[in-house]
Amino acid sequence: GAVVSQHPSWVICKSGTSVKIECRSLDFQATTMFWYRQFPKQSLMLMATSNEGSKATYEQGVEKDKFLINHASLTLSTLTVTSAHPEDSSFYICSARDPRQGANYGYTFGSGTRLTVV
Amino acid sequence: RKEVEQDPGPFNVPEGATVAFNCTYSNSASQSFFWYRQDCRKEPKLLMSVYSSGNEDGRFTAQLNRASQYISLLIRDSKLSDSATYLCVSNDMRFGAGTRLTVKP
Repeated sequence: GAVVSQHPSWVICKSGTSVKIECRSLDFQATTMFWYRQFPKQSLMLMATSNEGSKATYEQGVEKDKFLINHASLTLSTLTVTSAHPEDSSFYICSARDPRQGANYGYTFGSGTRLTVV
Repeated sequence: RKEVEQDPGPFNVPEGATVAFNCTYSNSASQSFFWYRQDCRKEPKLLMSVYSSGNEDGRFTAQLNRASQYISLLIRDSKLSDSATYLCVSNDMRFGAGTRLTVKP
């Protein structure tokens, strides 16, 4: 089945620094990837839809200048949390779907990145 | 109003019990629906797609009711290993809040 690789699995950074999270589709090409954030005991909140070769589409309330998304190739999307603050500490996770599979196969998730800003 | 609303839970059931979760959705144009399972501090994993005619996979049955705009998941003969959070999602990739299930011995 489709495999989505996400790195790093966890990261600790200082306030004010930037952190880049990578999401790769390993055995398929993904023109679209989704980025989510999940706070403890809460559900996945869609942050943005990453589109290969064009600008990402951000959900209402998500700051595009703070959460930079780049989808430069068909197998890689990156999310950069800029000028991170402790309130950005969360579980960030990406997903993509293998277009060779039918719509009923759903989306595959990366293993997530646990970000802690100190 | 959220696009996908889900039973609040949590559900605490004994082994062997039958348990059902529901989700309602507001976007009548949504085409596909899925149930995902998420274990603590892990990524969600696809459990089942949901079809209008209903579909079954072992102890799990999913149903879509377009007229009433809800989807359901039924788990029969629940196992300890079924303990997890169950999430419904439409094809626009917006998740419900999740329902936590704990199956106890």
